[in-house]
Amino acid sequence: AQSVTQLGSHVSVSEGALVLLRCNYSSSVPPYLFWYVQYPNQGLQLLLKYTSAATLVKGINGFEAEFKKSETSFHLTKPSAHMSDAAEYFCAVSYGGSQGNLIFGKGTKLSVKP
Amino acid sequence: EAEVAQSPRYKITEKSQAVAFWCDPISGHATLYWYRQILGQGPELLVQFQDESVVDDSQLPKDRFSAERLKGVDSTLKIQPAELGDSAMYLCASSPLGTTYNEQFFGPGTRLTVL
Repeated sequence: AQSVTQLGSHVSVSEGALVLLRCNYSSSVPPYLFWYVQYPNQGLQLLLKYTSAATLVKGINGFEAEFKKSETSFHLTKPSAHMSDAAEYFCAVSYGGSQGNLIFGKGTKLSVKP
Repeated sequence: EAEVAQSPRYKITEKSQAVAFWCDPISGHATLYWYRQILGQGPELLVQFQDESVVDDSQLPKDRFSAERLKGVDSTLKIQPAELGDSAMYLCASSPLGTTYNEQFFGPGTRLTVL
């Protein structure tokens, strides 16, 4: 079965520091890849998506992610963390088509220290 | 900006009671999904509709859960009877037909607490 692994259930950074959240997928076929953010008691908001165009994808709020087929990875980065970035982040994959489902990782909770 | 609407936002119920959640997808979106998200986990698909038809309900506990989308627009998810283990966030999402990569737009969710 296809799966998504997010390394680190909890990541803590200082304000202004680099944010790196890791995501690896298990598939021989490159999927479509997504990062979502979830604030407490809210739904999921799309940060960015990889749809087989450019491998470096820029999203909202200064986040970006790079698709690396050789490493089956799609890590999320932001050069400088803000307090408002504290949230839970989910990596998800889809194999496309009208019946394609999103398969989510277990999430990484990001804390930002002042 | 169009959004997925869900109600109620919060629901507290006692075990063995019936509960229902409502979702109104973005106008024109043919595909609608219900997910369950247990605290500390990623969302897991319960049921997927395309228009009024169920596409995938393989993970829906059919002995107690039911879902419908009668006119192919809004949808209701029901649990009867609720159990303690049903406490979770229930998320609804929608996507337009014809997108290759299946981008989904999520509503704010319904937080269910079963006492």
